[in-house]
Amino acid sequence: DTGVSQDPRHKITKRGQNVTFRCDPISEHNRLYWYRQTLGQGPEFLTYFQNEAQLEKSRLLSDRFSAERPKGSFSTLEIQRTEQGDSAMYLCATGHYEQYFGPGTRLTVT
Amino acid sequence: DQQVKQNSPSLSVQEGRISILNCDYTNSMFDYFLWYKKYPAEGPTFLISISSIKDKNEDGRFTVFLNKSAKHLSLHIVPSQPGDSAVYFCAASPNYGGSQGNLIFGKGTKLSVKP
Repeated sequence: DTGVSQDPRHKITKRGQNVTFRCDPISEHNRLYWYRQTLGQGPEFLTYFQNEAQLEKSRLLSDRFSAERPKGSFSTLEIQRTEQGDSAMYLCATGHYEQYFGPGTRLTVT
Repeated sequence: DQQVKQNSPSLSVQEGRISILNCDYTNSMFDYFLWYKKYPAEGPTFLISISSIKDKNEDGRFTVFLNKSAKHLSLHIVPSQPGDSAVYFCAASPNYGGSQGNLIFGKGTKLSVKP
């Protein structure tokens, strides 16, 4: 257990629906990252927060994706109008050089 | 274009022997390298890291070697144990000006350690 928790662990949704995931980081870590992992690939960077400020977004993060980290604590990742291509494991990590990952949220879009 | 490459999708090793996992990178701006281990349905677990100013880092059974001139790193596990069976990911952190530390991962190597 890394101390990073994610909720839910699994989510099945129909195409076109909105979904939201939550990440609770290790409390003393200012930096929080979101990654996405698909089958046969390594995790791919989506976005990054330093405290409550979202400082970087990958080109993978389309306009349907939005992330927040109010008060620099937990973070949420929302996907609007889900598509089948959004099916993946969504991972949250905290730390700096050495990043500690949560267990991930497995999203399946049917 | 993949900046971190793990060219062996799988590796099988006998228990007690050495496991060597390899990783190549293309971007000379990478300055920190990490290895993660991942079991199915879990997030990656940090194993060991190395800064670009070093060529070796050791932690128990795990040793990471870095060859900057060849842009190559490797993870040695000695002795290998059945519990080491997992997918191992190599990751690199770029050191651009104002780098935010996001990691760039390879595709992973699945290690199987046979009893």
